[in-house]
Amino acid sequence: AQSVTQPDIHITVSEGASLELRCNYSYGATPYLFWYVQSPGQGLQLLLKYFSGDTLVQGIKGFEAEFKRSQSSFNLRKPSVHWSDAAEYFCAVGSLSGNTPLVFGKGTRLSVIA
Amino acid sequence: DGGITQSPKYLFRKEGQNVTLSCEQNLNHDAMYWYRQDPGQGLRLIYYSQIVNDFQKGDIAEGYSVSREKKESFPLTVTSAQKNPTAFYLCASSPDGAKNIQYFGAGTRLSVL
Repeated sequence: AQSVTQPDIHITVSEGASLELRCNYSYGATPYLFWYVQSPGQGLQLLLKYFSGDTLVQGIKGFEAEFKRSQSSFNLRKPSVHWSDAAEYFCAVGSLSGNTPLVFGKGTRLSVIA
Repeated sequence: DGGITQSPKYLFRKEGQNVTLSCEQNLNHDAMYWYRQDPGQGLRLIYYSQIVNDFQKGDIAEGYSVSREKKESFPLTVTSAQKNPTAFYLCASSPDGAKNIQYFGAGTRLSVL
């Protein structure tokens, strides 16, 4: 069965500092991988996705993520965090077999301080 | 505008009452999903439907029911059998062949009076 682990429940970074949010997955083959962001009281917005090919993928809002097969990881990064990035971030894994539900991690809450 | 509309934004349930959360999409997506979100729990799948008139239970289906009579609509009923219904409920949809990309509504917050 697929599973996703986000080891950090809550991270606090200073505005302008770099950010890395960790995500590890369990799946029998190379899965589809996603990062979503959620502002308080809102739905989820897709930040970026990995299907195949280049292991470094670019997303919206200046985010990027790197797929590392050997580590079963798909960490999210941003070189310089803005106060508006404060939100909850979810990593998700999807099956190659089609429109089956995504499996989500429990999320990492990001706080940004001045 | 195309998108996924969840209504109402806030809903209150009395003891023993069934309530229905609406989810409508005009994206022509085949698959639709319901998730429940509790603090620190992430998203847990309640039900999903890949095609009209068919749906499958997710991980926490007990106390919930759904229908999929139309492609654009996937209402969720929280029954009186769900003893802890207070949560944030999210609806999502996905087009066929989209490699699982899901698009989300803005959510409904359900509280018990």
